[in-house]
Amino acid sequence: KAGVTQTPRYLIKTRGQQVTLSCSPISGHRSVSWYQQTPGQGLQFLFEYFSETQRNKGNFPGRFSGRQFSNSRSEMNVSTLELGDSALYLCASSFSQGGTYEQYFGPGTRLTVT
Amino acid sequence: DAKTTQPPSMDCAEGRAANLPCNHSTISGNEYVYWYRQIHSQGPQYIIHGLKNNETNEMASLIITEDRKSSTLILPHATLRDTAVYYCIVTPNAGGTSYGKLTFGQGTILTVHP
Repeated sequence: KAGVTQTPRYLIKTRGQQVTLSCSPISGHRSVSWYQQTPGQGLQFLFEYFSETQRNKGNFPGRFSGRQFSNSRSEMNVSTLELGDSALYLCASSFSQGGTYEQYFGPGTRLTVT
Repeated sequence: DAKTTQPPSMDCAEGRAANLPCNHSTISGNEYVYWYRQIHSQGPQYIIHGLKNNETNEMASLIITEDRKSSTLILPHATLRDTAVYYCIVTPNAGGTSYGKLTFGQGTILTVHP
């Protein structure tokens, strides 16, 4: 079974631009979570989607948004990029509806904002 | 979610058992202990989880004390490829505000040396 895939793997953007990152979960997984990883803050939870609905959200500004499609693929968008948004963005998929945390992570998208 | 405390770093000789401790003295009855690891520049990888009984899988063993206030992840025969950051996470295995959310701490940097 194929793992979680994320595209693109690397991205360079300029301050003020927006960016869209994509995540394809493991086949059959309906929950997709997104995380931001920076050297200073570590791994932080952004949001989680299940059956096209956002069920949980972390403490990030409204510039960070996401969505999930009917095939469980998910995208996250960051508008008006800031230098501090430079990070590794990870998505993780999970099979369980009830919230089990056996999550499977993708390789991440490395975003650099200049 | 209960807070966890892990040593910042540990060393282990290749072929020996690596025993990684985690303190979670404020764990509540419905919270599970999860272990993940992150090898440099990759997404985190699920290792094992448990509630109160000891657990074993092909990767590792998890020993949880009877009072559930601490646990130990055991890698029985560490290899160089086990060098990674190991995260101990305590979280309820149910939904609500915890849907899809793993709270990562700083983890333990395990270095396996020849």
